[in-house]
Amino acid sequence: DAKTTQPNSMESNEEEPVHLPCNHSTISGTDYIHWYRQLPSQGPEYVIHGLTSNVNNRMASLAIAEDRKSSTLILHRATLRDAAVYYCILNEDYSGGGADGLTFGKGTHLIIQP
Amino acid sequence: DAGITQSPRHKVTETGTPVTLRCHQTENHRYMYWYRQDPGHGLRLIHYSYGVKDTDKGEVSDGYSVSRSKTEDFLLTLESATSSQTSVYFCAISDGINYGYTFGSGTRLTVV
Repeated sequence: DAKTTQPNSMESNEEEPVHLPCNHSTISGTDYIHWYRQLPSQGPEYVIHGLTSNVNNRMASLAIAEDRKSSTLILHRATLRDAAVYYCILNEDYSGGGADGLTFGKGTHLIIQP
Repeated sequence: DAGITQSPRHKVTETGTPVTLRCHQTENHRYMYWYRQDPGHGLRLIHYSYGVKDTDKGEVSDGYSVSRSKTEDFLLTLESATSSQTSVYFCAISDGINYGYTFGSGTRLTVV
């Protein structure tokens, strides 16, 4: 299985941008890069995903390296509510466009200081 | 979460009894999943479904069975609950590889 590597934890200040890195050197051409976050006592929440190009949505931006071996989730202006565990996951195409389940790692524990 | 509900939210049951957890979606998504989350292990896939009556095993399927008789419902059954199945169970839905997954709020199951 393709794997991702993330720092165990990161700390940032409120109202500042946060850049969460993820390495996925064994990514294959059809793997999508997904990001989820999990707040305490809640289920995971979808943040963003992409294949090759950078992506933006209301929650965050995803910057994907040209060789696709790494990506960065960008929270443009962190708030205390962004404190969570962030998971970078490769959605691997086992069955020609199917979605056979995400494999979660340990993620990055993001701490936001007021 | 919007479009996906799990029931019950909490359950305490005795060892050896059967337990069924329900996941219901209103999004008409093709794929549905059951995960469990335990301290030190993170989220692990139990079973998933890629259509009505089409299911497959995940990483930790022993002791669990699933059924999907209609698009909107995915049931997880513990035939004979054990203490090792005490966990938080999350259901998720997706519409394919180029779509995000939406997770439910979870069911906290305690087997005593």
